[in-house]
Amino acid sequence: GAVVSQHPSWVICKSGTSVKIECRSLDFQATTMFWYRQFPKQSLMLMATSNEGSKATYEQGVEKDKFLINHASLTLSTLTVTSAHPEDSSFYICSARDGTGPTNSGNTIYFGEGSWLTVV
Amino acid sequence: GNSVTQMEGPVTLSEEAFLTINCTYTATGYPSLFWYVQYPGEGLQLLLKATKADDKGSNKGFEATYRKETTSFHLEKGSVQVSDSAVYFCALSTSGTYKYIFGTGTRLKVLA
Repeated sequence: GAVVSQHPSWVICKSGTSVKIECRSLDFQATTMFWYRQFPKQSLMLMATSNEGSKATYEQGVEKDKFLINHASLTLSTLTVTSAHPEDSSFYICSARDGTGPTNSGNTIYFGEGSWLTVV
Repeated sequence: GNSVTQMEGPVTLSEEAFLTINCTYTATGYPSLFWYVQYPGEGLQLLLKATKADDKGSNKGFEATYRKETTSFHLEKGSVQVSDSAVYFCALSTSGTYKYIFGTGTRLKVLA
């Protein structure tokens, strides 16, 4: 079946540095990808919607200059946490919409494995 | 606004016990409802879904019925196995969008 892969699964970075998380659709074209984050004991919260070839749409309260999203191809979206701080430590997960091609899965959503970010 | 509330875990059961994980929602219109499962080290996998009132989603022995009158979508399984140990997320998606609103997740641990 369709697979969405995230990389890295775990990352530790120093405060003030930037870190990039990749989300790839491995066997389908994803015109739309979504980025979520989860704080401990809280819900997965939608951060932004990423559309191939256009600017991402951010949810209210999400800093677009801090969380840079690039969806340069139909199979790859990246989330870059810029100037990371300890409060950015969280679980980040992406999902991808399979909505293209004659044999598409009926606009099914697939989730990646998630990425754990720790900022020290 | 739209929201999902699910019971807090962790839930610890013995093998072959009956499982219920409660989920209620608040939404305008007629959302689609989902249960996702996350096994250790893996991504979210769709477990089951229901798209309209009174629909019953089922998969791998799990069931959930879309109850509009009680705005609920409780997950049940008659006999859990050790392999069911995972985190379960209830979620909704409103018509015309692919954005999901999730509950906090419930960790299930099944003991042999």
